[in-house]
Amino acid sequence: GENVEQHPSTLSVQEGDSAVIKCTYSDSASNYFPWYKQELGKRPQLIIDIRSNVGEKKDQRIAVTLNKTAKHFSLHITETQPEDSAVYFCAASRSGGGADGLTFGKGTHLIIQP
Amino acid sequence: DTAVSQTPKYLVTQMGNDKSIKCEQNLGHDTMYWYKQDSKKFLKIMFSYNNKELIINETVPNRFSPKSPDKAHLNLHINSLELGDSAVYFCASSQAHRGSGYTFGSGTRLTVV
Repeated sequence: GENVEQHPSTLSVQEGDSAVIKCTYSDSASNYFPWYKQELGKRPQLIIDIRSNVGEKKDQRIAVTLNKTAKHFSLHITETQPEDSAVYFCAASRSGGGADGLTFGKGTHLIIQP
Repeated sequence: DTAVSQTPKYLVTQMGNDKSIKCEQNLGHDTMYWYKQDSKKFLKIMFSYNNKELIINETVPNRFSPKSPDKAHLNLHINSLELGDSAVYFCASSQAHRGSGYTFGSGTRLTVV
C-alpha cells in the first residue's frame, strides 16, 4: 500500500518568513495530493490540493509543488502569520475522492514566532 | 449547516463496554470513511464505504464494525473496548470520481478507562 513520509515533524519560523513542508510518497499510482491544516481540538481542513497532471498550484500565500518523477510534493507558505500556527498534514490517494481514502503523513507542527 | 456531523463529541467509557459513534453527511457524497487519530496525531484510515463496497484496513481489529443504514450515514460500532482504543475518531465523506476532496467531521474523542 501507499506510504507517505513527511518532514519536518516540527517547524518554527519567524512571523513574515516562509515555511516549507515536504512529503514523499511510494505508490506511483497515487494521483491526488491534498494538504490539511488542523488546529488544536479541531477537524482537519483542506487548504490546498494538487493532482498529478499539474506541477504547481497557488492560492494566495499557499502553494504546492509536485514532482511525479521523484514522488515528492511540498507545501509553501509565504509571509507567515500567527494564525498559520497549526499541524499540517500531507496526504496521497489513487482516486481523489474514491474508496481508497487518504494515506496521511505524520504531520508537521508549524510554530510561528512573533 | 454542518456538512459532516458526528455524535457524540466526547465519549468516556469503561473497558469491555460496547459503544457506537454516529456520522451523518448532507453533502450528497457517495463515499464515507472513518479515520483514527492517535495520541501522536497520526491519522489513519479505518474504513471506507460506498454503495458498492466496504474496504477495511487490515490492521483494524474486528471489534470495530461500520454500519451504513443509508448513503448519508456511516456509524461506527466498537465492541469490547480496550484502553488502546482511546483516540479521536473522525468521520469523512467524498464524492468518488469527482475529485472534490474529502470533508471531515468534527471528531469524537473516545477515552477508555
